[in-house]
Amino acid sequence: GNSVTQMEGPVTLSEEAFLTINCTYTATGYPSLFWYVQYPGEGLQLLLKATKADDKGSNKGFEATYRKETTSFHLEKGSVQVSDSAVYFCALSGSGGSYIPTFGRGTSLIVHP
Amino acid sequence: EAQVTQNPRYLITVTGKKLTVTCSQNMNHEYMSWYRQDPGLGLRQIYYSMNVEVTDKGDVPEGYKVSRKEKRNFPLILESPSPNQTSLYFCASSLEGDPRHYGYTFGSGTRLTVV
Repeated sequence: GNSVTQMEGPVTLSEEAFLTINCTYTATGYPSLFWYVQYPGEGLQLLLKATKADDKGSNKGFEATYRKETTSFHLEKGSVQVSDSAVYFCALSGSGGSYIPTFGRGTSLIVHP
Repeated sequence: EAQVTQNPRYLITVTGKKLTVTCSQNMNHEYMSWYRQDPGLGLRQIYYSMNVEVTDKGDVPEGYKVSRKEKRNFPLILESPSPNQTSLYFCASSLEGDPRHYGYTFGSGTRLTVV
C-alpha cells in the first residue's frame, strides 16, 4: 500500500533560521504530492502541491520539489518566522487512480524569537 | 467567504448513543470527505462522496455512516459510538476540480469524546 514518512518532531528553530522538513513516500503510479499546515485549534490548510515529477510547489516562502528518483518531497523555507509555528503534514493522492489520500503523521515546528 | 463548516466543535457522549456531526460547504464543490485525526497516526479518510447520492468507503469506515442528499451537506453519523471512536474529526471538500490533484479545504474540526 501507499505510505508517507515524515521526520519526527518537534523541530525547534530560531527566527530567520533555514527550515527543512523531510518527506518520503511509497506509492504506485504517479501520485500528486501536497504539504498542508495546521495551526493550533484549526483545520488543515493546503500550503503547496506538485502534480508531476520535477514540479516545484511554492507558497508564502515555502517550497518543495517532487523528486521521483528519490521519492521525496522535502519542505524548505529560507527564513522562518514565529508565525510559522504549526504542524506540517505531507500527503499524497491519486496513486493508482484512488480518491483516498495518504497523510504522513505530521511534524511539529516551533520557532522561537 | 469560502468555507467548510462543521458542528459541533466539541461533543461528549456516552457509548451507544447515536450522534450526527454536520458538515456543509458553500462553494458548490462536488467532492466531500470525512477524516479522523489521532495522535501519531496523521489523518485517515473515513468516507468520501463524489456527488449527490454517491458515497464510498475510505480507509477506516467501520462504525460510521454518511449521507449526501444535497450537494452542500455531508453529515457523519455514528449509530452506536464506542470509546475507540474518540478522536478529532475533519470534514473537507475539494478545492477545485479533482481533489486527487488539487487538494482539499478542511473544516475547523469536531473533537468527539465517547465515554
